[in-house]
Amino acid sequence: AQSVAQPEDQVNVAEGNPLTVKCTYSVSGNPYLFWYVQYPNRGLQFLLKYITGDNLVKGSYGFEAEFNKSQTSFHLKKPSALVSDSALYFCAVRDKEGSGTYKYIFGTGTRLKVLA
Amino acid sequence: GAGVSQSPRYKVTKRGQDVALRCDPISGHVSLYWYRQALGQGPEFLTYFNYEAQQDKSGLPNDRFSAERPEGSISTLTIQRTEQRDSAMYRCASSRGAGGPQETQYFGPGTRLLVL
Repeated sequence: AQSVAQPEDQVNVAEGNPLTVKCTYSVSGNPYLFWYVQYPNRGLQFLLKYITGDNLVKGSYGFEAEFNKSQTSFHLKKPSALVSDSALYFCAVRDKEGSGTYKYIFGTGTRLKVLA
Repeated sequence: GAGVSQSPRYKVTKRGQDVALRCDPISGHVSLYWYRQALGQGPEFLTYFNYEAQQDKSGLPNDRFSAERPEGSISTLTIQRTEQRDSAMYRCASSRGAGGPQETQYFGPGTRLLVL
């Protein structure tokens, strides 16, 4: 079965410092990987996705993610964190195992706290 | 607005009552998904529609849960005879195409259901 792991429940980083939110995956075929952010009282917002091609994917709000096939990772990064980046971040993989529907399999989420 | 909308945003009900949760997808989006998110977890797939056809209901936990999308636009998720374990955030998402793995799903703000 395909799965996603986010090993850190919470990540703290000082404003202006680079941030990394980790994600590893397990798939049986080609990986289709996504990052979403959840702000309080709002829906999940799409940040970026990896389908094929360049291993470094750029997305919204200055975020980027690096696909590493050998390490089966898709870590989310940003060169300089902002206090407003504080939110809950979800990594997801598309899976159709069993039912035939390309549904998301989400990780458990990582809470990012950017300290002023 | 142009995004996915859901109503109500909050629903408190008593055990044994039926509830209906509504999702209005982005205009023109073919695919519609329902997910359930427990506290501290990522969203979990419930069901998927392609236009008005319910293509996959493998994630519905039992026969108290049902969903429909009669005209291929607005969808309703109905929970009959609610139980306390049904308390969760229910999220709807839509995507432009017919559900391929590269497609991005756009999420609504969710309905938080509390069953007393």
